[in-house]
Amino acid sequence: AQSVTQLDSQVPVFEEAPVELRCNYSSSVSVYLFWYVQYPNQGLQLLLKYLSGSTLVESINGFEAEFNKSQTSFHLRKPSVHISDTAEYFCAVSDPGYSTLTFGKGTMLLVSP
Amino acid sequence: DADVTQTPRNRITKTGKRIMLECSQTKGHDRMYWYRQDPGLGLRLIYYSFDVKDINKGEISDGYSVSRQAQAKFSLSLESAIPNQTALYFCATSVTSGIGNEQFFGPGTRLTVL
Repeated sequence: AQSVTQLDSQVPVFEEAPVELRCNYSSSVSVYLFWYVQYPNQGLQLLLKYLSGSTLVESINGFEAEFNKSQTSFHLRKPSVHISDTAEYFCAVSDPGYSTLTFGKGTMLLVSP
Repeated sequence: DADVTQTPRNRITKTGKRIMLECSQTKGHDRMYWYRQDPGLGLRLIYYSFDVKDINKGEISDGYSVSRQAQAKFSLSLESAIPNQTALYFCATSVTSGIGNEQFFGPGTRLTVL
């Protein structure tokens, strides 16, 4: 069984500042890792994913995440956030069979001017 | 039009009532899922279906049942609603082939059980 820990329930940050949202996972097998974003009053959307290959993955809107196997982490970063990045971010893990996703509890990113 | 739709979007009901939440998709995906979201708890899987004849329990299936009426439709029922089933419910879909496939989420149904 897998589990996901998102250490911060809320991260307040000023616009144009850098941000890191932390995610650690636990699994006895190799995993696939995902970040989903939920904007206010909407469903979740895939932000980026790690399946294999390069440990650094990027999204189209400037976010990136690095898979660190030794630390069992998949932290999400952005060098300069915008007001529009205000949302809840969920880290998720699946096993290689990709039967289901296990989600973390979410981190609310609050960007203020 | 949205690819994954959920009805109703909001529902208030009373304890003991039977309620059905419906999900439809036009993406042609085989796999469908039901999650509930509670503040501070993230998303938890209730049931999932890999095709019309395949139904599986998720992490928190007690008190819920599902029906996969067709490839495009997956309904979630609460036979006798209770207040701690008050939550935001999401349906999601994904394809079967390949690996690490994205799940596509509906807009959610906000259910309140009084």
